[in-house]
Amino acid sequence: GAVVSQHPSWVICKSGTSVKIECRSLDFQATTMFWYRQFPKQSLMLMATSNEGSKATYEQGVEKDKFLINHASLTLSTLTVTSAHPEDSSFYICSASETSGLEPFFGPGTRLTVL
Amino acid sequence: RKEVEQDPGPFNVPEGATVAFNCTYSNSASQSFFWYRQDCRKEPKLLMSVYSSGNEDGRFTAQLNRASQYISLLIRDSKLSDSATYLCVVTANSGNTPLVFGKGTRLSVIA
Repeated sequence: GAVVSQHPSWVICKSGTSVKIECRSLDFQATTMFWYRQFPKQSLMLMATSNEGSKATYEQGVEKDKFLINHASLTLSTLTVTSAHPEDSSFYICSASETSGLEPFFGPGTRLTVL
Repeated sequence: RKEVEQDPGPFNVPEGATVAFNCTYSNSASQSFFWYRQDCRKEPKLLMSVYSSGNEDGRFTAQLNRASQYISLLIRDSKLSDSATYLCVVTANSGNTPLVFGKGTRLSVIA
């Protein structure tokens, strides 16, 4: 099946630093990727829809200036958490679909811990 | 009303038991339905898609009732390895539309 990778798998950083997370579709092209966030014992919540070659669409309550998304190619979307704070500590997961009509595949997730 | 609702559990069952999970969704325009499995600290993995006619994959049976906006998952002959959180997932269309997740139902299969 299709494979989606994420990098890094985990990161620990100091408050105030920025962290970039990469999401790659390894053997297919994805014009759209999705970024989710999951806090402990909570469900995955959609943060934004990443569109190749255009601006991302953010969900209500997600600050676009804090969570910068760049989808520069058909196989790569990046999420940058700018000036991270402890409340941004979470599990960030991306997903992508091979073609319309097929279920999406998830990256392995990135666990962010902000001290 | 939440978009996708599930009983959070936990369901603690002995090996070999049959267990059923239910899920309701609020968006009547939903077109695609899935059950995902999520292990602790891991990404969700697709367990099975849910079709209107119902479908079975080994010990797992999924059913959809569009009129009641209700989805179910039945696990027969539970194994220890079935212990995980099961996520009910719906989307208005598959492919390039985002998924809406339930909070998940936690299952623990006990020896």
